Amino acid sequence: QSALTQPASVSGSPGQSITISCTGTSSDVGGYNYVSWYQQHPGKAPKFIIYAVTNRPSGISNRFSGSKSGNTASLTISGLQAEDEADYYCSSYTSNITWVFGGGTKLTVL
Amino acid sequence: QVQLQESGPGLVKPSETLSLTCTVSGGSISDYYWSWIRQPAGKGLEWIGRIYKSGSTNYNYNPSLKSRVTMSLDTSKNQFSLRLFSVTAADTAVYYCARVRISYSEAFDIWGLGTLVIVSS
Repeated sequence: QSALTQPASVSGSPGQSITISCTGTSSDVGGYNYVSWYQQHPGKAPKFIIYAVTNRPSGISNRFSGSKSGNTASLTISGLQAEDEADYYCSSYTSNITWVFGGGTKLTVL
Repeated sequence: QVQLQESGPGLVKPSETLSLTCTVSGGSISDYYWSWIRQPAGKGLEWIGRIYKSGSTNYNYNPSLKSRVTMSLDTSKNQFSLRLFSVTAADTAVYYCARVRISYSEAFDIWGLGTLVIVSS
């Protein structure tokens, strides 16, 4: 199975909004609403921030939002803060009853 | 508060078997699904497999690793395990265990801290 496609890096200034895309196929992202997003700071375990495409778990800031169109899911972070600087990964369930991750996107807050 | 802790050798010789255990505290292992995920240094996450007990024990594995992986579940110890056979340097990575939350559309909602496994002679 191929990894989902994410941009290697994105950047933004404090207070701005950024969007990270996650492109798959009709056999994963496009076929199911089982897309989740994870934030990973250096040397730390990933932390899950979005599930079922658009839902935030308890305790996650409403500055984080998710969406999907066709085979591409997106994570938007509004009101960027220095603490948002991290790597971000998407994940999707697939038609083979497996999971696949994106290659990861490094967010730099300028 | 459910917590996960990986344990096992940090160094494995090429062609040998990598064995890791994840101990679950604060909740019953029988109530959820569980996964192993790994991350080579400086690279992205790779899903290894999923295990859960529903009557019998059920598994799903990454097709690229399926021929070399087995997972098991020990409800008496509240642990689940990973065995990866015939390892090479390409298997060097931080290995994470994670809980799969069905009610969250199978997101990996709780992760262990991770354990670094180096494959080297």
